[in-house]
Amino acid sequence: AAGVIQSPRHLIKEKRETATLKCYPIPRHDTVYWYQQGPGQDPQFLISFYEKMQSDKGSIPDRFSAQQFSDYHSELNMSSLELGDSALYFCASSSREGGQPQHFGDGTRLSIL
Amino acid sequence: AQSVSQHNHHVILSEAASLELGCNYSYGGTVNLFWYVQYPGQHLQLLLKYFSGDPLVKGIKGFEAEFIKSKFSFNLRKPSVQWSDTAEYFCAVNAGATNKLIFGTGTLLAVQP
Repeated sequence: AAGVIQSPRHLIKEKRETATLKCYPIPRHDTVYWYQQGPGQDPQFLISFYEKMQSDKGSIPDRFSAQQFSDYHSELNMSSLELGDSALYFCASSSREGGQPQHFGDGTRLSIL
Repeated sequence: AQSVSQHNHHVILSEAASLELGCNYSYGGTVNLFWYVQYPGQHLQLLLKYFSGDPLVKGIKGFEAEFIKSKFSFNLRKPSVQWSDTAEYFCAVNAGATNKLIFGTGTLLAVQP
């Protein structure tokens, strides 16, 4: 079965650079969620989109922005990167109908030098 | 605000031992409850979920969990663990319209052969 696809798998950036993470949800899933998991920490919700509109916002810094496109894929744009942004960024998708569980991608491991 | 507590941060068991991981949540309304497993270097995988109905839910790989509403608990159990169960286990809750997940801090399980 098709899963959530994230790219890239690994990304190395320097401080103050920008990064774009991409997420392709499972077909027919209309909702995308972004989570950040720091080293040894639990995943923290950043932001979600339903039918291309932002549906909820969590602890996402102002330096980050995200959007969901007409084909339902989503991109997380990160600017002025800081050392503390080093983390595993997960995307998850679900179908809003019936409150279906979220399925997670393999994540993008972002390292800031 | 919703929160999830996992009281066991590290658990070490021998193969064939029984497992119970505690999870308590705080939220006054209707919740959906989940257990996810994260194998080293991998993404979060859904073990089991509770939405409604029978409070004893069975998941994959022989895991089960019991929802006790009066105790706000959703403990994970497995009668006999295997070395391959070595992983980190996250309890999560979602509530409200947006379905964002609130995770516990995770329990690192190490099973010794």
